[in-house]
Amino acid sequence: AQKITQTQPGMFVQEKEAVTLDCTYDTSDPSYGLFWYKQPSSGEMIFLIYQGSYDQQNATEGRYSLNFQKARKSANLVISASQLGDSAMYFCAMRVRGAGSYQLTFGKGTKLSVIP
Amino acid sequence: DTEVTQTPKHLVMGMTNKKSLKCEQHMGHRAMYWYKQKAKKPPELMFVYSYEKLSINESVPSRFSPECPNSSLLNLHLHALQPEDSALYLCASSQSPSGRVSPLHFGNGTRLTVT
Repeated sequence: AQKITQTQPGMFVQEKEAVTLDCTYDTSDPSYGLFWYKQPSSGEMIFLIYQGSYDQQNATEGRYSLNFQKARKSANLVISASQLGDSAMYFCAMRVRGAGSYQLTFGKGTKLSVIP
Repeated sequence: DTEVTQTPKHLVMGMTNKKSLKCEQHMGHRAMYWYKQKAKKPPELMFVYSYEKLSINESVPSRFSPECPNSSLLNLHLHALQPEDSALYLCASSQSPSGRVSPLHFGNGTRLTVT
């Protein structure tokens, strides 16, 4: 079975500072993908960034980067230069290849609040 | 702007009503999903359609009835719901249901209140 753990229920960050949201995962499947989604209070789940299990380099998308440490089974999201609009719920998720590959397993989420 | 469109954005219905949620995507994705999300919780998978066929039903009560008329459309028909069914219902699509790990793209969701 797959499992995603986000240990930070809530985080605060000063505007323009960087912040790291933690995510650890557990799977026995060697082929998997890790995703981060942002969910503002409006409800939409916005796809931010993807890291494949065989990717050699950490994924980056604009101000978002994923600190992928495979041996430690961690996939932390780093947001640089935080903006007020970054205040939202952030979910780490995993999808494995093979049986049950339809499943996107979510963590419980981290609520990020950006302080002006 | 999201590429997965859901209507309506908000829905209030009585327990004896029949209503439908609609979802549309034009990205050529072959897998479509319904998720249910309660407040302060992660989304929970309800149904998966793969190439327009129902692939997964996560033991969802029969008062929820999904339908996939074509590769771009996904409906969720609601009948005789209970107040505990009040939640945010999210539709999503992905390039392929399996074989390649691809992200799910979500719509804005429908906030459903059952009175």
